[in-house]
Amino acid sequence: AQKVTQAQTEISVVEKEDVTLDCVYETRDTTYYLFWYKQPPSGELVFLIRRNSFDEQNEISGRYSWNFQKSTSSFNFTITASQVVDSAVYFCALSDLGGATNKLIFGTGTLLAVQP
Amino acid sequence: KAGVTQTPRYLIKTRGQQVTLSCSPISGHRSVSWYQQTPGQGLQFLFEYFSETQRNKGNFPGRFSGRQFSNSRSEMNVSTLELGDSALYLCASSLVKGSPNNEQFFGPGTRLTVL
Repeated sequence: AQKVTQAQTEISVVEKEDVTLDCVYETRDTTYYLFWYKQPPSGELVFLIRRNSFDEQNEISGRYSWNFQKSTSSFNFTITASQVVDSAVYFCALSDLGGATNKLIFGTGTLLAVQP
Repeated sequence: KAGVTQTPRYLIKTRGQQVTLSCSPISGHRSVSWYQQTPGQGLQFLFEYFSETQRNKGNFPGRFSGRQFSNSRSEMNVSTLELGDSALYLCASSLVKGSPNNEQFFGPGTRLTVL
């Protein structure tokens, strides 16, 4: 069965620190997609990144970077030089059925609090 | 370009009542998915609609139902409300179904409280 585990329930850092959010997934599919979403206090989920199972290249977007390792079934997210505006709940998600559906399986989320 | 809109934003109902939530996808988007978010169960998939047809359904009782109209707007209905139905209900839209290459855009959600 497909499953996403975010073991870190809550992380608190001081502004300008680097922080890594962990994500471990389980799936029997050979073709799958992984996502990260940000949920600020307003409640709306904001898309951050999508990665397919055939692309293990790491990606960097500004202060954000993602490390995808199929060998350990992990898709970790790092924020460099964190800012107060990064405070939110972050969700890792897995697509189901190898792309035949838009259904997302979410992890339980990690609450990131960045203190000034 | 307007984003996904959900109405109402907040709703208070009592046990046993029924409720209808509405979602208007981004213009041109034909796929709509619904999710329930609770502190205990997290984000769980409810259903997915494309071209007025339900394409996928999550593991929820029959009290939860939905539909999609020809203009792609979608509604979900919960009958015989229970306290455990209190949640944030999120709607997501995308251009087509079953293609994770198409980003899903989420609405702000409807916060349902059942008393």
